[in-house]
Amino acid sequence: AQTVTQSQPEMSVQEAETVTLSCTYDTSESNYYLFWYKQPPSRQMILVIRQEAYKQQNATENRFSVNFQKAAKSFSLKISDSQLGDTAMYFCASLGHFGNEKLTFGTGTRLTIIP
Amino acid sequence: EAEVAQSPRYKITEKSQAVAFWCDPISGHATLYWYRQILGQGPELLVQFQDESVVDDSQLPKDRFSAERLKGVDSTLKIQPAELGDSAMYLCASSLGGISGAEQFFGPGTRLTVL
Repeated sequence: AQTVTQSQPEMSVQEAETVTLSCTYDTSESNYYLFWYKQPPSRQMILVIRQEAYKQQNATENRFSVNFQKAAKSFSLKISDSQLGDTAMYFCASLGHFGNEKLTFGTGTRLTIIP
Repeated sequence: EAEVAQSPRYKITEKSQAVAFWCDPISGHATLYWYRQILGQGPELLVQFQDESVVDDSQLPKDRFSAERLKGVDSTLKIQPAELGDSAMYLCASSLGGISGAEQFFGPGTRLTVL
């Protein structure tokens, strides 16, 4: 079984600043995947960034990067140079290895970028 | 760009009525998922299909919910009878399948309100 915990229900930051969203997880899988998904208001959920657990190098995607601490089971998302379009709900999620492909989501963090 | 289609986008019904939601995944995607997202929470998997076969329906309330994907393409999720607690966003997602850790692409969802 997998569990994902997001302890920050809401966050806000000034435009152009950097913000970090926290996520911790628990899994019995030896290999797994971690994701951050973004759900803008009234729009569909889209993938922000993906991390394979067996890769030690932290994933980056333009202004988005993660801090993956496998031993601590921590997976935080850093958004640099935040933009108004980053305003959304952000969900951390874990996925088991092939054959156990159920995404388990956290409760989300509502991020507001202030102009 | 290919997207997951869902209809209707919004549905209001009275309790004890039957409702049905439709999902058309991205062409070529073998795996299809139905999630339920209660307001303020992360999505939870209801059912997962691999082609036309159910892979996981452990969280589907089978006394009132049913799902089918007869030809392994589009899918229908039905609730009969609807209850007040079924009010939620119903999300459909699809992925290529057969690839460990494959990205899931989400549709816009159907927001159900049960009165």
